[in-house]
Amino acid sequence: EVQLVESGGGLVQPGRSLKLSCAASGFTFSNYGMHWIRQAPTKGLEWVASISPSGGSTYYRDSVKGRFTISRDNAKSTLYLQMDSLRSEDTATYYCATSITMMVLTPFAYWGQGTLVTVSS
Amino acid sequence: DIQMTQSPASLSASLGETVTIECLASEDIYSNLAWYQQKPGKSPQLLIYDASSLQDGVPSRFSGSESGTQYSLEINSLQSEDAATYFCQQHHDYPYTFGAGTKLELK
Repeated sequence: EVQLVESGGGLVQPGRSLKLSCAASGFTFSNYGMHWIRQAPTKGLEWVASISPSGGSTYYRDSVKGRFTISRDNAKSTLYLQMDSLRSEDTATYYCATSITMMVLTPFAYWGQGTLVTVSS
Repeated sequence: DIQMTQSPASLSASLGETVTIECLASEDIYSNLAWYQQKPGKSPQLLIYDASSLQDGVPSRFSGSESGTQYSLEINSLQSEDAATYFCQQHHDYPYTFGAGTKLELK
């Protein structure tokens, strides 16, 4: 059974940093593209970043480019999102998700339960 | 960015009815369209991808279709567990973009 468990969320002041983790199990993590998607309270879904199976290619939405860094440790089956220079508009539940195939640009087959990030002074 | 215009924003239907939710892409996305279901307090679940392919384990009462840049999700024989918010998503190009969602309420 595929399991994705996010952690690392919490309350952080504007301008500070936070690092999210997503522990994966139940599938061969190193074979799949991985993604971060966020959802502001009572709002819709917004894609944040993606990474290829090897970690050699990364993709970001414009509003987080230069502030967020997606990475992975295939030996630990763990996905990360380093978030720097946080802003109030980054407040959201952050989900990690898998690609449906070994490609990166695919739908999101499995999602974690999410971790809430609140950016506020 | 590719804009996904989803309609309606909400709808109410009775058990056993059939409902249709639509998404209009701002440009050709070549059938690279997915549908997700999200229940309150839960993470989204993939229902359909590539416009009409049913994800493993999803009931066959869910189906997807397309006509040009207009994509549709049909839910037949509504069940109580279908009450949820549904989102479309284009997976043709970065940035991935989602529709605003359709909240389905069961009468």
